Amino acid sequence: DTGVSQDPRHKITKRGQNVTFRCDPISEHNRLYWYRQTLGQGPEFLTYFQNEAQLEKSRLLSDRFSAERPKGSFSTLEIQRTEQGDSAMYLCASSLGQGVTDTQYFGPGTRLTVL
Amino acid sequence: GIQVEQSPPDLILQEGANSTLRCNFSDSVNNLQWFHQNPWGQLINLFYIPSGTKQNGRLSATTVATERYSLLYISSSQTTDSGVYFCAVNGGSQGNLIFGKGTKLSVKP
Repeated sequence: DTGVSQDPRHKITKRGQNVTFRCDPISEHNRLYWYRQTLGQGPEFLTYFQNEAQLEKSRLLSDRFSAERPKGSFSTLEIQRTEQGDSAMYLCASSLGQGVTDTQYFGPGTRLTVL
Repeated sequence: GIQVEQSPPDLILQEGANSTLRCNFSDSVNNLQWFHQNPWGQLINLFYIPSGTKQNGRLSATTVATERYSLLYISSSQTTDSGVYFCAVNGGSQGNLIFGKGTKLSVKP
């Protein structure tokens, strides 16, 4: 069990550029979640996958955001045409289970700065 | 949707002191987790505790589901306990966690 990993850990980009983040869940975890955390706030849910199926999207996930989890393994989160308001920590979590009682384990996050 | 409130928002302690952090939630839950976020942003699992009491070393937690609150106890605090403590719950049919705003703990040597 090597934990949830995320790459890159830090990303600085200019407004209008596209960025992509990667999350590798704990091996064999079937659920994968993306959250966003801004300064001074708790993480907020963006979307989640059960295996390769994207089952829920938050209203925070505008049409500039897209997430994939091909083959139910790693996941990518892409932000197109970044805006300064997208600056935040993007956290990935994974869990093993079938329902809402699963324990979620978080990765170290990707800190995005949009200039 | 369900609301999660944590108190106090900030807490400053001298090393060796004990503390109690509180989490109130507005509806019944079937998942409650406590996390410690270290200065580098990593969320570390402390407890999965939708009800009952658990202990792990100097930390313990109690959730009274019928009264919709959870408490995290830290005894004999150390400087490494500094950081932000989050309570998160899930009360609906989806898997996502809803987080409070956290309690920022600073332990002084």
